[in-house]
Amino acid sequence: AQTVTQSQPEMSVQEAETVTLSCTYDTSESDYYLFWYKQPPSRQMILVIRQEAYKQQNATENRFSVNFQKAAKSFSLKISDSQLGDAAMYFCAFVYGGSQGNLIFGKGTKLSVKP
Amino acid sequence: DTEVTQTPKHLVMGMTNKKSLKCEQHMGHRAMYWYKQKAKKPPELMFVYSYEKLSINESVPSRFSPECPNSSLLNLHLHALQPEDSALYLCASSQDVGQGFTEAFFGQGTRLTVV
Repeated sequence: AQTVTQSQPEMSVQEAETVTLSCTYDTSESDYYLFWYKQPPSRQMILVIRQEAYKQQNATENRFSVNFQKAAKSFSLKISDSQLGDAAMYFCAFVYGGSQGNLIFGKGTKLSVKP
Repeated sequence: DTEVTQTPKHLVMGMTNKKSLKCEQHMGHRAMYWYKQKAKKPPELMFVYSYEKLSINESVPSRFSPECPNSSLLNLHLHALQPEDSALYLCASSQDVGQGFTEAFFGQGTRLTVV
């Protein structure tokens, strides 16, 4: 069975600073994908960034980047130049390539951004 | 159009009522999903509909009944719900499943309250 663990229930960052959210996962699969989704108070889950397990290069999307350590089964999210609009619940998620696309989510990290 | 549209946004229903949640996507995606999200918890998969086949999370009670009238529409019929079924119900779609899965697009959810 696959599991996703987010060990930080809450994090806080000063506007314009950098913050890193942690995620670890456990799987015996070799073909899988990892995601970070953002859920603001508006409730809609929004994809922040995606990483394919077979890619060694860490994914980057503007101010968002990941540190993917496959051997350690670690997938952290770094947010640079934090903005007030980044405040949300962040979920790390896993899906394996042979599945129906059912995402397995961690418990989430609530990020607050201080002005 | 990269939207998944859910209606209604809010629903209050009694335990003897029958109601339906509607989800629609016009992205030509081959898979659609229903997730249930309790307060301060991650989403949990209820159903997957892909390639005209329904996959069910075995823990979902029969008072929840999905229906897929066509490839763009996925309804969730509700009957004789319990107060513990109160939650945010999220619909999602993906272009494909298995090796073809890239990401899931989520709707804004239906906030359901059972009284």
